[in-house]
Amino acid sequence: EVQLVESGGGLVKPGGSLRLSCAASGFTFSSYSMNWVRQAPGKGLEWVSSISSSSSYIYYADSVKGRFTISRDNAKNSLYLQMNSLRAEDTAVYYCARGFGSYIDYWGQGTLVTVSS
Amino acid sequence: SYVLTQPPSVSVAPGQTARITCGGNNIGSKSVHWYQQKPGQAPVLVVYDDSDRPSGIPERFSGSNSGNTATLTISRVEAGDEADYYCQVWDSSSDLPGVFGTGTKVTVL
Repeated sequence: EVQLVESGGGLVKPGGSLRLSCAASGFTFSSYSMNWVRQAPGKGLEWVSSISSSSSYIYYADSVKGRFTISRDNAKNSLYLQMNSLRAEDTAVYYCARGFGSYIDYWGQGTLVTVSS
Repeated sequence: SYVLTQPPSVSVAPGQTARITCGGNNIGSKSVHWYQQKPGQAPVLVVYDDSDRPSGIPERFSGSNSGNTATLTISRVEAGDEADYYCQVWDSSSDLPGVFGTGTKVTVL
């Protein structure tokens, strides 16, 4: 059974940093692209970042470019999102999601990030 | 970047048919995927590649895509279908290829 479990969310002050992690199990992690998708309270889904299976291709939304860094450790079956210079508008539930071709076939349950003073 | 536009809301009576549109420039040339999200839950894929269904998704969910509009159709709507629905494409020409639509709230009357 495919499982994606996010961790690392919490309350952080504006300008602060946070590192999200996603532990994957139940599939060959190194064979799949991975993604971070977020959802602000009461809002729609926003694709934040994608990373290919071997980390050769990395993409970011304009809203986070230069502040967030996606990475993965295939030996540890883990995906990460380093978030720096956080802003109030980064407040959201962050989902780890497995890519399959051009779509997402599995999602984690999400971790809440709140940026507030 | 590529923009996908959905109606904010659709209302439908039980047993009737709900149609949710997703508009985008020449979207018919792309593969469109649809997700269902219920309150407090992660999204779930209900249609991929315009009209295919993942295992476990009822046949009542179907999709089509042509020209500038893709459509998710829910036949014989049930109370449990009440949720938010998002379309999605992968636009290889964009800096961030993954794009979601604006989302549609389906209300079962």
